[in-house]
Amino acid sequence: DAAVTQKPRYLIKMKGQEAEMKCIPEKGHTAVFWYQQKQSKELKFLIYFQNQQPLDQIDMVKERFSAVCPSSSLCSLGIRTCEAEDSALYLCSSIDWGENYAEQFFGPGTRLTVL
Amino acid sequence: GQGVEQPAKLMSVEGTFARVNCTYSTSGFNGLSWYQQREGQAPVFLSYVVLDGLKDSGHFSTFLSRSNGYSYLLLTELQIKDSASYLCAVRDLGSNYNVLYFGSGTKLTVEP
Repeated sequence: DAAVTQKPRYLIKMKGQEAEMKCIPEKGHTAVFWYQQKQSKELKFLIYFQNQQPLDQIDMVKERFSAVCPSSSLCSLGIRTCEAEDSALYLCSSIDWGENYAEQFFGPGTRLTVL
Repeated sequence: GQGVEQPAKLMSVEGTFARVNCTYSTSGFNGLSWYQQREGQAPVFLSYVVLDGLKDSGHFSTFLSRSNGYSYLLLTELQIKDSASYLCAVRDLGSNYNVLYFGSGTKLTVEP
């Protein structure tokens, strides 16, 4: 089972609606990442949090998404106004910056479908 | 992203081996990771390399050549259950060194 938890697993929204997905990182991990994966495509980096602070994000996230990590045990990624192109698997991952910092743990993902 | 390239598909036969290639082009290099991903599931960490050479981890081995921007994942004694996508990801010091930049993955099919 994945050490990182994501909810919901599946999300269906109409174009123009708001969407929200949640991530519970592995306990003790201080770094949280969000990625977007479209069918048969690479994982696309979206945003990176360190100790609940956003340190890096792509322009698309700044413009249309909302992402917060109010605590070390819960993060969320939201889309203010869904578009068809947002249909994808959204993966959350966390890292332990200790000895095993190379291993990035991924959650099972939230599959968003925008109709 | 960040110039990480992998062949889209690879086929091999049960009991033999498969080599998944990855080439990358980054302004700075801070390690390369390999992940296995099954359809609809989360990527699972397999290996991390930062120094040149071959790293043997049993069923999986990884090779890195930093001067050539090249790595491969070698799977030996293939089983049908090894059929999955294998993702190569690079940490680029030139951008945010904490971020992994992924290739599109290589879908490996192991036939009987």
